[in-house]
Amino acid sequence: NAGVTQTPKFRILKIGQSMTLQCAQDMNHNYMYWYRQDPGMGLKLIYYSVGAGITDKGEVPNGYNVSRSTTEDFPLRLELAAPSQTSVYFCASSSIGQGAMRAFFGQGTRLTVV
Amino acid sequence: QQQVKQSPQSLIVQKGGISIINCAYENTAFDYFPWYQQFPGKGPALLIAIRPDVSEKKEGRFTISFNKSAKQFSLHIMDSQPGDSATYFCAASGGSQGNLIFGKGTKLSVKP
Repeated sequence: NAGVTQTPKFRILKIGQSMTLQCAQDMNHNYMYWYRQDPGMGLKLIYYSVGAGITDKGEVPNGYNVSRSTTEDFPLRLELAAPSQTSVYFCASSSIGQGAMRAFFGQGTRLTVV
Repeated sequence: QQQVKQSPQSLIVQKGGISIINCAYENTAFDYFPWYQQFPGKGPALLIAIRPDVSEKKEGRFTISFNKSAKQFSLHIMDSQPGDSATYFCAASGGSQGNLIFGKGTKLSVKP
């Protein structure tokens, strides 16, 4: 079972460049999330989606965009990359139908903006 | 405003000892409290979770203690092993906040 798959695993961007972090899940989960993890700061929610065509901002959405055209995919777009976006990004999915918000995480994308 | 406060930031325990990590929350609407375990280079993975209708939940060497009146919950790792060395995150969700709110994490090192 693949679970939640993120690509790429590593990426170096120059300031002002753009890129898309890919996330796909094969568990038919309605909910998907993007978090960023900075040292000593835990996981902060960037954007989330409760189903195809529905997205909403989390705690730290500035500088990012998302779309959810299918249940399986939830890409995160970085426009005009800035050094402050250097972080590890995690995609997660969950199904509220399981009775709890058990989130399954991908392996992460380590992004460095120079 | 940090809704879930976790302590300590780091913890060193001898093999066989008990590791204790504490979390406190503010939002009384939270009704689901999971703990996630993260190894270096990996994504967090659910370890154990509790709902506020019980005061304790045990799974193997891992136990969650929950104090609803104090709005606190803790993770106890009994007979800690070097393989338990990881970063542990507490989290909470519920009410109007359907998403998981994470603590800042505790880096646990278990010395042989």
